[in-house]
Amino acid sequence: DTAVSQTPKYLVTQMGNDKSIKCEQNLGHDTMYWYKQDSKKFLKIMFSYNNKELIINETVPNRFSPKSPDKAHLNLHINSLELGDSAVYFCASSQRWGEETQYFGPGTRLLVL
Amino acid sequence: KQEVTQIPAALSVPEGENLVLNCSFTDSAIYNLQWFRQDPGKGLTSLLLIQSSQREQTSGRLNASLDKSSGRSTLYIAASQPGDSATYLCAVKNYGQNFVFGPGTRLSVLP
Repeated sequence: DTAVSQTPKYLVTQMGNDKSIKCEQNLGHDTMYWYKQDSKKFLKIMFSYNNKELIINETVPNRFSPKSPDKAHLNLHINSLELGDSAVYFCASSQRWGEETQYFGPGTRLLVL
Repeated sequence: KQEVTQIPAALSVPEGENLVLNCSFTDSAIYNLQWFRQDPGKGLTSLLLIQSSQREQTSGRLNASLDKSSGRSTLYIAASQPGDSATYLCAVKNYGQNFVFGPGTRLSVLP
């Protein structure tokens, strides 16, 4: 049973397109996160959601819009994709915000051409 | 603003050696610190979580220590194995803020 799953695993698209990445966790956790790992392997938090509510939105362009239909899902929609958006995007979850171990999904590798 | 650094950036050791990975952070008022490993092309796996009130945590051959006053944490790996080869990241959380990750140490354990 996969604890945190993401789809798709790979995404190749043209500049200017709109795309979505989906994330689901079956751990019963309250908090979910989106991270971006760039080509230099730096991992940076983008969003934190607790019980479907946005806790923190780091400095992220408003082209990125997270949506949490329920506690088990946190999707990421990206408008007007740019070359610099190419990265690996990781979803993660934890029992409570910041207190517990985070469990990561396998990542979505996005390449913008 | 919290900044996290890790030294060394890469490390190669023969199998069986004990080794230490270092993590430094600039803001010592942390809530907790977590060590992860990342295998190539994979997500992160949590190894150890140390709360601010703790000085160390152990899991099997891994031992992580925390010295808040000096802004440092170390991850000690005993009797290293080729299967330990991965990138190790530390992440620091301050009160009211998200985790900030270090750049990682890429470890290669040679058979």
